[in-house]
Amino acid sequence: QKEVEQDPGPLSVPEGAIVSLNCTYSNSAFQYFMWYRQYSRKGPELLMYTYSSGNKEDGRFTAQVDKSSKYISLFIRDSQPSDSATYLCAPPDFGNEKLTFGTGTRLTIIP
Amino acid sequence: DAGVIQSPRHEVTEMGQEVTLRCKPISGHDYLFWYRQTMMRGLELLIYFNNNVPIDDSGMPEDRFSAKMPNASFSTLKIQPSEPRDSAVYFCASSQGLRGANVLTFGAGSRLTVL
Repeated sequence: QKEVEQDPGPLSVPEGAIVSLNCTYSNSAFQYFMWYRQYSRKGPELLMYTYSSGNKEDGRFTAQVDKSSKYISLFIRDSQPSDSATYLCAPPDFGNEKLTFGTGTRLTIIP
Repeated sequence: DAGVIQSPRHEVTEMGQEVTLRCKPISGHDYLFWYRQTMMRGLELLIYFNNNVPIDDSGMPEDRFSAKMPNASFSTLKIQPSEPRDSAVYFCASSQGLRGANVLTFGAGSRLTVL
């Protein structure tokens, strides 16, 4: 079983819709959770991270963690065409500094 | 800062040839990572260094792959001999290695095509 699983999509939604992106993990030792965004033909870049259960908001983005079910979500409100990208979740391993990424979900926002 | 710089951006080569990918990390970052990205397998960690020393190379697929970091500002990933299944985008990333909040800064990637 992979440590981090994501639905690869692709996911297409109309502009203005609420988007829900999900990630499951198997290692209960994961304490921190990161979301990276990757535009086409670019390297991934950090979007946001959280280190607790519950919600964290940053503008139109909300990260939600449910440690009891090992489930991570990223919500995008009022989605824009500029949000079209691949979204990768990455729970850092507290024992070392390497990041294991999910396969990513490819999102397209249709104008 | 110019960010993480990778070269070449694109490489097309024939099976059996040697390929060398290069990376210049962000100055002051103690950690350097090499990842490979394909549609089928996503982003896979190949190897990472701390203070120029390889820490974990368990992701290196075969002996055909090797990586070096001769100094804090330069690293190479070499494939010899290359095979068509090595075709992928190879990313280099660096970080300050803050425990639990290790934010990686990625380069733009090197797209490798092996014919």
